[in-house]
Amino acid sequence: KQEVTQIPAALSVPEGENLVLNCSFTDSAIYNLQWFRQDPGKGLTSLLLIQSSQREQTSGRLNASLDKSSGRSTLYIAASQPGDSATYLCAVWGHQAYNTDKLIFGTGTRLQVFP
Amino acid sequence: EAGVTQFPSHSVIEKGQTVTLRCDPISGHDNLYWYRRVMGKEIKFLLHFVKESKQDESGMPNNRFLAERTGGTYSTLKVQPAELEDSGVYFCASSLNRGHEQYFGPGTRLTVT
Repeated sequence: KQEVTQIPAALSVPEGENLVLNCSFTDSAIYNLQWFRQDPGKGLTSLLLIQSSQREQTSGRLNASLDKSSGRSTLYIAASQPGDSATYLCAVWGHQAYNTDKLIFGTGTRLQVFP
Repeated sequence: EAGVTQFPSHSVIEKGQTVTLRCDPISGHDNLYWYRRVMGKEIKFLLHFVKESKQDESGMPNNRFLAERTGGTYSTLKVQPAELEDSGVYFCASSLNRGHEQYFGPGTRLTVT
């Protein structure tokens, strides 16, 4: 059974710092991995999708890497800003062999960036 | 382009009543998913439609939950009868193709008293 863990659970940093959020999963035979952010009381906003054949994706100040063999993904946020404050969620696609697109979510990292 | 929309945003019902949640996916997205987060736990998958067909309903908790997507456009999720443990946030997502990014709606917060 696939389990997704995110560390740390919460993080509070001053503006301008570079951050690394970690995501680990127990079954390395995943298809894709997607990072989201969730603002309080809002839905999920897709940040980056790393497909099975890729090792990383970049969007602006965000960079996500994927190492399937070790069961890990990291989300790097450069030059953090107060507007980055949110909960960040990692989600993996179900096992490749099961022909399913269901996402399996971690519990998230709550990030606060203070001025 | 409009995103995924969900209605209502919040519903409060009594135990034993029926509630129907609606999701309108992004126009042209054949794939529609339902997820939920209960009791502060992680978000969990409920089911996946491809057009009007159920591709995967392995996450549906029991037969009190019924999802439909007639015509392959919007979807409804009915809970009948609702129980206290059904309280949580129900999210809908859609994607253009299998394996593509899933775009989430704002969710429906369901409170069963």
